[in-house]
Amino acid sequence: AQSVTQPDIHITVSEGASLELRCNYSYGATPYLFWYVQSPGQGLQLLLKYFSGDTLVQGIKGFEAEFKRSQSSFNLRKPSVHWSDAAEYFCAVGSNYGGATNKLIFGTGTLLAVQP
Amino acid sequence: NAGVTQTPKFRVLKTGQSMTLLCAQDMNHEYMYWYRQDPGMGLRLIHYSVGEGTTAKGEVPDGYNVSRLKKQNFLLGLESAAPSQTSVYFCASSSTGTGPSPLHFGNGTRLTVT
Repeated sequence: AQSVTQPDIHITVSEGASLELRCNYSYGATPYLFWYVQSPGQGLQLLLKYFSGDTLVQGIKGFEAEFKRSQSSFNLRKPSVHWSDAAEYFCAVGSNYGGATNKLIFGTGTLLAVQP
Repeated sequence: NAGVTQTPKFRVLKTGQSMTLLCAQDMNHEYMYWYRQDPGMGLRLIHYSVGEGTTAKGEVPDGYNVSRLKKQNFLLGLESAAPSQTSVYFCASSSTGTGPSPLHFGNGTRLTVT
């Protein structure tokens, strides 16, 4: 069965510092991978996605993620964090099997705090 | 451009009461979903629909029912609310495609059952 693990529940970084949020997945075939961000009181917004091709994908707000099949990882990175990046980040894995596609499995989330 | 709209935003119920959460999307999406979000557990799929008139169970369907009578609406019902159903509920929708399409989320409904 598919599963997603986000090992870090809470991370604090200083504004301007680099960021890496970890995501590990378990899936037998090539997965479809997503990162979503949730600001307080809001729904989830898509940051980026990986389906196939180039393993380094660019997203909105200056985020990128790299798919590493050998490590079953899809870590999210940003070279310089802004205070407005404080939010909760969710990694998700999906599959394309017959019938109901888009049944994403979400990780438990990583809450990012940004220090001035 | 409304996207996915959920009503109500907040609700408090007493144990045993019933209610319906409404989700409406204006993007002509085929797929719609109901998730619940609990601290430390991420989002868990309750029910989903792959088109008008169809529904299916997700990961945690017990205690909930859904209906998709119109393509743009997806209703989530609680027939007899329990404290364990205290949660934040999110509706999402997505289009069809050759691979999973991104989900578009509403802003959530915070439900408290006392």
